[in-house]
Amino acid sequence: DSGVTQTPKHLITATGQRVTLRCSPRSGDLSVYWYQQSLDQGLQFLIQYYNGEERAKGNILERFSAQQFPDLHSELNLSSLELGDSALYFCASSLGGVSNQPQHFGDGTRLSIL
Amino acid sequence: GQNIDQPTEMTATEGAIVQINCTYQTSGFNGLFWYQQHAGEAPTFLSYNVLDGLEEKGRFSSFLSRSKGYSYLLLKELQMKDSASYLCAVRRNAGNMLTFGGGTRLMVKP
Repeated sequence: DSGVTQTPKHLITATGQRVTLRCSPRSGDLSVYWYQQSLDQGLQFLIQYYNGEERAKGNILERFSAQQFPDLHSELNLSSLELGDSALYFCASSLGGVSNQPQHFGDGTRLSIL
Repeated sequence: GQNIDQPTEMTATEGAIVQINCTYQTSGFNGLFWYQQHAGEAPTFLSYNVLDGLEEKGRFSSFLSRSKGYSYLLLKELQMKDSASYLCAVRRNAGNMLTFGGGTRLMVKP
């Protein structure tokens, strides 16, 4: 158990809809990272937050947004969903934004778009 | 940009040793991580190298050569449960953002 909690584990919805994925980092970790993993692609970095502030942005679509709240949990919002958004979405956390500590991953949310 | 290359698949025999290579091209290199990922599960941290040389952790070792842009993960005394994907990830500059390679799917056969 990594200590990173993601909900829900599975999500099935239709094209055009909007969903929110939630992540609670490990106790003490200030940084949260979101990744997308499709069947035919590796882990793609989406966005990082550190202590409530956006720290780095990767290949995140404009239809996607995220935030980190004062209690350090984070939410990833996906809107105007398309079939190609079907993927595993992982959240990871680490101690700090610039530390040498590894990122620890949650079990992921499997999103299926019908 | 960055380019991280790993073999797509490898097969090895239970009890044997296997070496999984990773080559990268990046500016501002600031560390390389190896993760293990079983199908449909979360990646789990295996090792971290930032200086040249070998880091050993039980049955797993990882090596880094910064001048060659090269790393490998060495798995000894292979077990069936080692069948998984192994992901190489590079960190750049001072941030903690990781760029992952496509992963190497290792199949361990009896």
